[in-house]
Amino acid sequence: GESVGLHLPTLSVQEGDNSIINCAYSNSASDYFIWYKQESGKGPQFIIDIRSNMDKRQGQRVTVLLNKTVKHLSLQIAATQPGDSAVYFCAERFSGSARQLTFGSGTQLTVLP
Amino acid sequence: DAGVIQSPRHEVTEMGQEVTLRCKPISGHNSLFWYRQTMMRGLELLIYFNNNVPIDDSGMPEDRFSAKMPNASFSTLKIQPSEPRDSAVYFCASSSTGGVGGYTFGSGTRLTVV
Repeated sequence: GESVGLHLPTLSVQEGDNSIINCAYSNSASDYFIWYKQESGKGPQFIIDIRSNMDKRQGQRVTVLLNKTVKHLSLQIAATQPGDSAVYFCAERFSGSARQLTFGSGTQLTVLP
Repeated sequence: DAGVIQSPRHEVTEMGQEVTLRCKPISGHNSLFWYRQTMMRGLELLIYFNNNVPIDDSGMPEDRFSAKMPNASFSTLKIQPSEPRDSAVYFCASSSTGGVGGYTFGSGTRLTVV
């Protein structure tokens, strides 16, 4: 029979455009969130994090927005480059769960030349 | 800093054989995590250690899987006997107290059981 796997959401953007990747998290008690980037054949790599007492945090070319009301997290990448092509995961940490992170299923970003 | 080091990078083994995956966390990190990644289930936490002590192994799929951390600089994940459904990429990650800044992942071990 046909195998069924995770159907990763995909996002294709033109080089130089801005990208927005969205994530719905599951637990209203989560107090810490992280975005990871995973390139083919590599482990996930930390991009940016945000605590629940903030609603926006900026890094180099990346911005994370947190909307606790609707349990939504987004990652904005400015001036997207070919090297940004990867799978992007959001992760949440439940308050009181010590160091455990729970990862979302990921979004595949493809940058078109 | 060499990062989290995993070995081997690739492992192909026959069903029924024992497989041992190895991990060296970042020096000074006191938490270590083993994850499995598949297309079917994404990234799954198998077990995590804090100060070399297993804290939560509820993600370990069954008794065929075991993990040890004999000291702060080394951990193993063992599968005995291996089965084809164990085929996946296994990641080790480490973090410092509080996990602020997230985890640092290794490059993974791609396991294929035939």
